[in-house]
Amino acid sequence: GDSVTQMEGPVTLSEEAFLTINCTYTATGYPSLFWYVQYPGEGLQLLLKATKADDKGSNKGFEATYRKETTSFHLEKGSVQVSDSAVYFCALSEGGSEKLVFGKGTKLTVNP
Amino acid sequence: NAGVTQTPKFQVLKTGQSMTLQCAQDMNHNSMYWYRQDPGMGLRLIYYSASEGTTDKGEVPNGYNVSRLNKREFSLRLESAAPSQTSVYFCASSVHRTNYGYTFGSGTRLTVV
Repeated sequence: GDSVTQMEGPVTLSEEAFLTINCTYTATGYPSLFWYVQYPGEGLQLLLKATKADDKGSNKGFEATYRKETTSFHLEKGSVQVSDSAVYFCALSEGGSEKLVFGKGTKLTVNP
Repeated sequence: NAGVTQTPKFQVLKTGQSMTLQCAQDMNHNSMYWYRQDPGMGLRLIYYSASEGTTDKGEVPNGYNVSRLNKREFSLRLESAAPSQTSVYFCASSVHRTNYGYTFGSGTRLTVV
């Protein structure tokens, strides 16, 4: 079945450092890909998405590119802030599916 | 504010007790979902409802029941709570297809003792 594998955390960075959180997927078709963010004590929020190969999703300085050849959707940010501390989830949905499949999440802590 | 509202936010149950978690959305979304979140396990789908009047099992449905009361409301019931059901429960909703992503509620933290 479909699955999502994220790099294990936790990840700890200093403010203004470069961030990469790796995400790879397994799917039978051509899924849509998502990154969600969960701040402490809150629900998940959609951060960005890409619906076809080579699409780049971006939001709040975060970017991720849908790479079909490597089945990857890595999350990047050039300069992280303390306020980016959260848990990040990669997810996919197969075309026409009602369901999202989530990775296990990666906890990011940014220190001042 | 528009969104997904879950009640209660916190609950402690004794083993064997029953309770219903409530979820309501005001975005006119067709589909609604219940997930549980456990440390190291990510989010796992319990049940979902693709449209009013339909429900389907997800990955971990055992020990739960759901009701899609109308287009706005989707409740999750634990008939006889067990310690293994200690978790954080999230409700979410989406426009018909998930390409648009989900909107999540803020969660219910349930402890079964």
